[in-house]
Amino acid sequence: SQKIEQNSEALNIQEGKTATLTCNYTNYSPAYLQWYRQDPGRGPVFLLLIRENEKEKRKERLKVTFDTTLKQSLFHITASQPADSATYLCALGVDSNYQLIWGAGTKLIIKP
Amino acid sequence: ETGVTQSPTHLIKTRGQQVTLRCSSQSGHNTVSWYQQALGQGPQFIFQYYREEENGRGNFPPRFSGLQFPNYSSELNVNALELDDSALYLCASSSRDRETQYFGPGTRLLVL
Repeated sequence: SQKIEQNSEALNIQEGKTATLTCNYTNYSPAYLQWYRQDPGRGPVFLLLIRENEKEKRKERLKVTFDTTLKQSLFHITASQPADSATYLCALGVDSNYQLIWGAGTKLIIKP
Repeated sequence: ETGVTQSPTHLIKTRGQQVTLRCSSQSGHNTVSWYQQALGQGPQFIFQYYREEENGRGNFPPRFSGLQFPNYSSELNVNALELDDSALYLCASSSRDRETQYFGPGTRLLVL
């Protein structure tokens, strides 16, 4: 069956450290993968997109890797801050209609 | 540049009733996607409209229907509401590339 898995347990990280979130998928062949941030009661906010032929992408303190052999993406936030606390969702772009298939998200808590 | 807006922000209905949710897309965006997000879950794709035509549909029954207007705003209609329809309904617009989606704040629907 097709699945997207993100850590269901909250991730607690000390301020200033690097937070690493995981997105694993099975039985999909995504053309691209996206990461979004979602705050409580709000819509998701786009952060980064990485394509199937890209290994890594960076934006300021954010870094995403994409391993199509392992079927896994890692999302890193360096020098984490309490303001980075939110739920982070990964989403796969799987068809020509640009439909996104979403993981359930991982809640990240950055402690001062 | 105006972002995606949705109305109403909150809504309470009873089982069997009908509801219409509205979305104004971001300026210059011609594609609108609707998602249902249950608590603690990732968004589930309902359908997408591109230039006023339905352009892909997720695994939702026909009582979920939609429209896109010439100004690219959109409506989601749900008939014969069920208790399980209680969720956050998200609208997202995208531009010509249709890969990156910009979300509105959502409408929280409670069905009693």
